[in-house]
Amino acid sequence: GAVVSQHPSWVICKSGTSVKIECRSLDFQATTMFWYRQFPKQSLMLMATSNEGSKATYEQGVEKDKFLINHASLTLSTLTVTSAHPEDSSFYICSAPRWLAGGSDEQFFGPGTRLTVL
Amino acid sequence: GQQVMQIPQYQHVQEGEDFTTYCNSSTTLSNIQWYKQRPGGHPVFLIQLVKSGEVKKQKRLTFQFGEAKKNSSLHITATQTTDVGTYFCAGLLRSQGNLIFGKGTKLSVKP
Repeated sequence: GAVVSQHPSWVICKSGTSVKIECRSLDFQATTMFWYRQFPKQSLMLMATSNEGSKATYEQGVEKDKFLINHASLTLSTLTVTSAHPEDSSFYICSAPRWLAGGSDEQFFGPGTRLTVL
Repeated sequence: GQQVMQIPQYQHVQEGEDFTTYCNSSTTLSNIQWYKQRPGGHPVFLIQLVKSGEVKKQKRLTFQFGEAKKNSSLHITATQTTDVGTYFCAGLLRSQGNLIFGKGTKLSVKP
């Protein structure tokens, strides 16, 4: 079945550095991908919708200059956390819908990336 | 690796019928969350269960967390066409761990 991968699965970085997280759809094309953040013991929070060939759509309260999203191709979206700080430490997940005949879609989640900023 | 299994994959019901989706983990979960994704949308958080044997209700939706904290269910009573969508469970293996999603159950409701 369809798979969505994320890389890296975990990363530890120093405060002030930038970290790039990749989300790939492995056997289908995804014109849209979603990026979420999950704080400990809390639910997923949608950060932004990544759109291939156009700008990402950010949810209210999410800094677009802080969390740069680039949907470079139909199978790849990247999230770059710029000038990371300890409060950015979190679990980041992407998901991608695969559209089916008839107009419905299936949603596939990546395995997530655990970011720890020291 | 650790997995959260969700069944059934698809469920077609007549409006007014009940619907249940089940999640099972081979490992004890810290908590379990349920999400609903409407066609064309993104998954939206519904509820979180934390305690062993916990039961929570949201109108026609009843969520249960098993005594062993390895399984959970979502039951919808008297489905309506507005219930159409995909329901995902997501388990947290430990308090600081990562969410692991089930593959979802796609519900269609025939008027």
